[in-house]
Amino acid sequence: DTGVSQDPRHKITKRGQNVTFRCDPISEHNRLYWYRQTLGQGPEFLTYFQNEAQLEKSRLLSDRFSAERPKGSFSTLEIQRTEQGDSAMYLCASRSSWGSNEKLFFGSGTQLSVL
Amino acid sequence: AQSVTQLGSHVSVSEGALVLLRCNYSSSVPPYLFWYVQYPNQGLQLLLKYTSAATLVKGINGFEAEFKKSETSFHLTKPSAHMSDAAEYFCAVSEFYNQGGKLIFGQGTELSVKP
Repeated sequence: DTGVSQDPRHKITKRGQNVTFRCDPISEHNRLYWYRQTLGQGPEFLTYFQNEAQLEKSRLLSDRFSAERPKGSFSTLEIQRTEQGDSAMYLCASRSSWGSNEKLFFGSGTQLSVL
Repeated sequence: AQSVTQLGSHVSVSEGALVLLRCNYSSSVPPYLFWYVQYPNQGLQLLLKYTSAATLVKGINGFEAEFKKSETSFHLTKPSAHMSDAAEYFCAVSEFYNQGGKLIFGQGTELSVKP
């Protein structure tokens, strides 16, 4: 497999701007997850998809956040009207739901800085 | 609700010394437990996982962990530290096997290895 890819690696934006991140999971994986990680903390679950269906959203995901996975392949995470508190590493992960393999494969993340 | 507590945000050992990273969990149902490692500028990688089979789990790079239900613990050990083990380590819990795949992470322990 080619691994989970995330783009961009780094994003600097001004408060109030909108940003969008992209995640390309491992091709045969039908489950895709978004996590947020702030400095000194572990990753926090945001949302996950099975194919194109968004099956769960965390309370951390305010109405300024929206995630899509339109064709069950890549996913985008958009943050509208960014705030300084949104500064974090946004991680994407994927796995197959078939069989007994529950291992999550993580991308390297997108580091967001809101000025 | 499930939770994970990692005791010690930073652990420093000498090369060749025992590595012990502590993890305690809280779960109302039998948990599935994981240790992930994160190297700088890389995604999280699975070290090992406990899924209700053997209580002593062996992982990659010489790491192992023991599930102790009576202590609600899943501590990570390695007999002899190597310089390349320096990284951030995360303990995580999942409530249902092969359902969702959502992991709840601890806050992480940074391991430093001194020559």
